[in-house]
Parts: sequence; C-alpha cells; structure tokens
Amino acid sequence: AQKITQTQPGMFVQEKEAVTLDCTYDTSDPSYGLFWYKQPSSGEMIFLIYQGSYDQQNATEGRYSLNFQKARKSANLVISASQLGDSAMYFCAMREGDNTDKLIFGTGTRLQVFP
Amino acid sequence: DAGVTQSPTHLIKTRGQQVTLRCSPKSGHDTVSWYQQALGQGPQFIFQYYEEEERQRGNFPDRFSGHQFPNYSSELNVNALLLGDSALYLCASSLGQFNQPQHFGDGTRLSIL
Repeated sequence: AQKITQTQPGMFVQEKEAVTLDCTYDTSDPSYGLFWYKQPSSGEMIFLIYQGSYDQQNATEGRYSLNFQKARKSANLVISASQLGDSAMYFCAMREGDNTDKLIFGTGTRLQVFP
Repeated sequence: DAGVTQSPTHLIKTRGQQVTLRCSPKSGHDTVSWYQQALGQGPQFIFQYYEEEERQRGNFPDRFSGHQFPNYSSELNVNALLLGDSALYLCASSLGQFNQPQHFGDGTRLSIL
C-alpha cells in the first residue's frame, strides 16, 4: 500500500483564489510527521509546513495551512490568495516514527495559477 | 547564510560508468541525506550520513555508496551506472538530532546514455 497518496496530478486555480491540495497517508506508528514541500522547475525542494501527529492544532505558515484530519489520515494543504509564483509541483511527505529523518514522498500535484 | 549547495548541476554519463556527486550542507548543519527523484515521481530516500557514518539507508543497491567528510560535506557515488539511474539527485541537510527540518539543495540532474 502507498504510504503517501496524492490523487490530484494537476490543479488549476485563479490568482487570488484559495486552493486545496489533497494528501492521505498510511501508517500504524503513533508518532509521525507530515510535511509539504514546493518544487519549482529549478528542482529545489522548498519546505512549506509541518504537522506532528500529536499536534492539537492545525499548522499554519503565512498563506499556507494544513488541514489535519487524523481519523481520516489526511493532511491537505490549503493555499490562500494564490499568486502566480505559486505555480509549481507540491509534494506531501511523511516521517514515520521518531528515530528517523527518512521522508516518504507522494507523487506530487502540479499546481498552475492563472491570471 | 549559505544554503545547501550541490555540484555539478548536470551530468551525462554512459552505462557502466561511475559517478560522484557532491553536497555541502547548510551552514550549521551536520547531517546529510540523499534522495533520488525519477522523472514524474517523488523523491526516494537513499541514505543519511551523520558523524561521518551512514546512519540510515533506504532500499537502494550497494552500487550506491556515500561518504561524509569532517567538514560535514558529503559525496554520493554510484557504480556500474544503469539507464534507470537517470534522475535528479537531491541532497538535504539538517541538524544531528532526528526530527529536524531538512533543507534541500537544487539537485544534480544525472542523465545516463
């Protein structure tokens, strides 16, 4: 079974609108971390936001927020007020367990923001 | 504040050759992880180096090996290159303890002919 599933290969959003990128995960470990990264065409993976499995509140970082629904094992990224510069690949990733830095990535969602 | 730097940016090799990729971690970081990202896929963890030792390894064959130097920089070596090794190789650095945020470089794009 896939550990991280991103079911949206591509998404379109108009500038200044909000968009939600879906991510579901699969783990039996009670301690895990969920990450979202942005990858522009240059290749660099840019860290956006982090949610720990024990965190009580949803994480927020500026225009990014993570809709964490633990019972449904989902960790959707919400980008508010989209900008043209948000056009990129977005990857959801999981760190499974405490004694590891290994990140397990999904296949990504390509977001395109149009004027 | 220098971020993660990787060299070279692009590389073309032929099957059977060997290649070495290099990574300098972000200033203040002492741990380096390597990932392979095939076209259209998410990155896959190769291994991580800490205190000049391989601390954790993903599901990659022994053809993939690495090294970490006293200044925390790292090399990824791949022997007997296969066509399927064509990918973007990403280096990420972090602080020594687990669960620290990882910062990625721009990657080295390796093409095998």
